[in-house]
Amino acid sequence: AQSVTQPDIHITVSEGASLELRCNYSYGATPYLFWYVQSPGQGLQLLLKYFSGDTLVQGIKGFEAEFKRSQSSFNLRKPSVHWSDAAEYFCAVRNSGAGSYQLTFGKGTKLSVIP
Amino acid sequence: DAGVIQSPRHEVTEMGQEVTLRCKPISGHNSLFWYRQTMMRGLELLIYFNNNVPIDDSGMPEDRFSAKMPNASFSTLKIQPSEPRDSAVYFCASSLGQFIGTDTQYFGPGTRLTVL
Repeated sequence: AQSVTQPDIHITVSEGASLELRCNYSYGATPYLFWYVQSPGQGLQLLLKYFSGDTLVQGIKGFEAEFKRSQSSFNLRKPSVHWSDAAEYFCAVRNSGAGSYQLTFGKGTKLSVIP
Repeated sequence: DAGVIQSPRHEVTEMGQEVTLRCKPISGHNSLFWYRQTMMRGLELLIYFNNNVPIDDSGMPEDRFSAKMPNASFSTLKIQPSEPRDSAVYFCASSLGQFIGTDTQYFGPGTRLTVL
C-alpha cells in the first residue's frame, strides 16, 4: 500500500526566508503527487501536482516542488516566504494505475511565519 | 466558477442526535469524495462516488454512517446516532472522475462537527 511521510510536524521560518517542506512516499511505481495547503478554518487548496515529465513543477503562490525518484521525495519549496503562507501543508500520493482514485495524505506540516 | 459547496460550515449537536452534512460538487464533476480530518488520524477517505454510484465505502467507520448521492449535484453524509468521537472536520471533494492519472480532487471548505 502506498504511504506518505511528512517528517516535520511544525516548521517556523522568518518572513522573507526560504522554505522547504519535506515529503517522502512509498509506492512501487511512479506515483502521482500533490501538495495541498489548508489555511485555518479553510478547506484544502491545490498548490501543485506532478504526473510526468519535468520533475520540477511550478504551482500557485510562488511554490514549486521537485520530484526525485531516487529519493522517493517530492519536497515543496518557496524562495521567500510571506506571512500569508502560514498554514498547514499536505503532501498526497495517488496510484498511477488505471482506474485509481484513492489519494493518500501525509499527516501535514504546520508552517508558522515570524514577521 | 463556484467550488465545492458544503453546508453547514459548523455543526454542534448532542450525543445521540442525527447529523446530516451536505455537499454540492463542482458542476460537471462525476466523482465525489467524503473525507474526515482529525488530529489523531489525519485525512481519511470515507466514501467515494462515481456517476452517483458508491464505488468504495470501505472507509466508513461503522453502520452509524451513511452517504447518498441522489443526483449529480448533491450528496449527503449522515451520522445516526452521533457520538462524541465523531467530532471532526468533514470534507467533500469532487473531480472530473475520468479514471485517468490527471484527475485532480478539489475540496470544499469543510464542516466542523462537534458532538457533545
